[in-house]
Amino acid sequence: AQKVTQAQTEISVVEKEDVTLDCVYETRDTTYYLFWYKQPPSGELVFLIRRNSFDEQNEISGRYSWNFQKSTSSFNFTITASQVVDSAVYFCALSEPNSGNTPLVFGKGTRLSVIA
Amino acid sequence: DAGVIQSPRHEVTEMGQEVTLRCKPISGHDYLFWYRQTMMRGLELLIYFNNNVPIDDSGMPEDRFSAKMPNASFSTLKIQPSEPRDSAVYFCASSSTGIEQYFGPGTRLTVT
Repeated sequence: AQKVTQAQTEISVVEKEDVTLDCVYETRDTTYYLFWYKQPPSGELVFLIRRNSFDEQNEISGRYSWNFQKSTSSFNFTITASQVVDSAVYFCALSEPNSGNTPLVFGKGTRLSVIA
Repeated sequence: DAGVIQSPRHEVTEMGQEVTLRCKPISGHDYLFWYRQTMMRGLELLIYFNNNVPIDDSGMPEDRFSAKMPNASFSTLKIQPSEPRDSAVYFCASSSTGIEQYFGPGTRLTVT
């Protein structure tokens, strides 16, 4: 069965600190996709990144970076030099479309508070 | 280009009333998903459609919930009769491939 675990329920950092949000997943499929979404206080879900199981290259987008490690079934998200606008709930999610499990299975989310 | 459109954005209703939530997917997207977000259960799938056909409705809580997609540009999620435990944020999402999903702003439902 699919499962996504975000062990950190809440994190609080001071502005300009780096912060890493952890995500561990479980799947029996060899083909799957991993995602991160951001949910700011306004409530919408904003797509941040998608990774497929065959691409373990780390990705950097501005202050955001993602570390995908199949050996540990982890897909961690790091924000460098955090800003107040980064305050949000961040969700990691998993999809196995080749097994018919197209919908996203979400973790419980990590609430990040960045304090000025 | 417009994103996923949901209406209403907020709905307050009394227990026992019928509630209809609406969603317009992104044009050209063949997949449409309904998710529900609650504090207790987080984000969970209710049902999804591919080419207007329901594919998986195993997440629909009970017979009080029903969803339809009469055409490629419109879907409804209906709760009849509504109960206080249905209070949640209901998200609609659409996708062209079934992989990358784009979410609407959500409908916050409060049942008193």
